[in-house]
Amino acid sequence: ETGVTQTPRHLVMGMTNKKSLKCEQHLGHNAMYWYKQSAKKPLELMFVYNFKEQTENNSVPSRFSPECPNSSHLFLHLHTLQPEDSALYLCASSQEEGPNRPLHFGNGTRLTVT
Amino acid sequence: GEDVEQSLFLSVREGDSSVINCTYTDSSSTYLYWYKQEPGAGLQLLTYIFSNMDMKQDQRLTVLLNKKDKHLSLRIADTQTGDSAIYFCAESMNQKVTFGTGTKLQVIP
Repeated sequence: ETGVTQTPRHLVMGMTNKKSLKCEQHLGHNAMYWYKQSAKKPLELMFVYNFKEQTENNSVPSRFSPECPNSSHLFLHLHTLQPEDSALYLCASSQEEGPNRPLHFGNGTRLTVT
Repeated sequence: GEDVEQSLFLSVREGDSSVINCTYTDSSSTYLYWYKQEPGAGLQLLTYIFSNMDMKQDQRLTVLLNKKDKHLSLRIADTQTGDSAIYFCAESMNQKVTFGTGTKLQVIP
């Protein structure tokens, strides 16, 4: 496999459920990101990890909990979500060094909270 | 703070040129990017330009940067139906990338 892979592609969960989103990159990158994409809004950066260390938490509610066990894997643990959390969640990776860090995105997980 | 703005929608006829515009606010931006998002997919990097350049051409794509006006544009020559997608402008400063809301390009056969 190449690139950035996200699973599952679609997820429907109730507000009391606990679920996890998974992201894996095969590009040898050292930085990984979670973005939230909602209709007619700019992409919202949620979390950034560099060399497995969290370097940015963009005021994300605690019901979203990221985990980065190594530079190739990133998880987003979800619990007690709200209907407004329904969105497309995109994972991305990039090289850590250098000012030019184009992001490589996965295809996203479409989350619906009922 | 950083802000990137784009028009939401553009419609063109197949074979015509498309021009997608973007304005940004952060004059310290080092790199500016164009990404394409097809239905059901993530964002795909199309091209980028370094802030000390005025223009970059890559096959059917031409990027123009007016740093004074903080204006970036993407021109797609000979637009095809496969170019129908949402196009995102993004600016990068240090490690932070800020995206616009995206412009939905509709290509009419």
